[in-house]
Amino acid sequence: AQKITQTQPGMFVQEKEAVTLDCTYDTSDPSYGLFWYKQPSSGEMIFLIYQGSYDQQNATEGRYSLNFQKARKSANLVISASQLGDSAMYFCAMREGLSNTGKLIFGQGTTLQVKP
Amino acid sequence: GAVVSQHPSWVICKSGTSVKIECRSLDFQATTMFWYRQFPKQSLMLMATSNEGSKATYEQGVEKDKFLINHASLTLSTLTVTSAHPEDSSFYICSATRREAQETQYFGPGTRLLVL
Repeated sequence: AQKITQTQPGMFVQEKEAVTLDCTYDTSDPSYGLFWYKQPSSGEMIFLIYQGSYDQQNATEGRYSLNFQKARKSANLVISASQLGDSAMYFCAMREGLSNTGKLIFGQGTTLQVKP
Repeated sequence: GAVVSQHPSWVICKSGTSVKIECRSLDFQATTMFWYRQFPKQSLMLMATSNEGSKATYEQGVEKDKFLINHASLTLSTLTVTSAHPEDSSFYICSATRREAQETQYFGPGTRLLVL
């Protein structure tokens, strides 16, 4: 069964507008972490934001925020004020348990293109 | 920050040869290192998890005799693709974790392997 699902293969957004990238997950472990990464065409994986399953507030990092809906098992990434440099592939990932030695399970990815 | 390097960044080899890829944590000791494989426009697939001084744990479907992983020290892990074939051509990415809990994995820049 797919544990991390990103249903949007590709997204377009106008520069300076906000965009939401969807991510749903499935786990029976009460302790887990959710991550978002950006992968530009160069291939490097850039960590964006983290949300722990016990965190009460939604995580925010600059222009990135994670809309954590625990009951719905969703962890959507919101990028505000999109910039041309945001064009990249974005991956949602989950780590079961809270230990950092646990493996990451990645979603299929969403390709975001920011239009000038 | 936590920097992970990979070497080489690009490699082209003939079918039947073996290729070694190095993954180093430059400014921290990595308790665990991970090796991923990524085909074009697809997600990252975990190949194996390695801990310093112990045998790697391979994911289902990954041939341990073909993809040899050695984690000789807290800052170095190597992946050797033995008797490479064209279907092994892919983007290989390593990541490493520090001792602190609930942190992200720190990814290397990746190695593009092309087997002719």
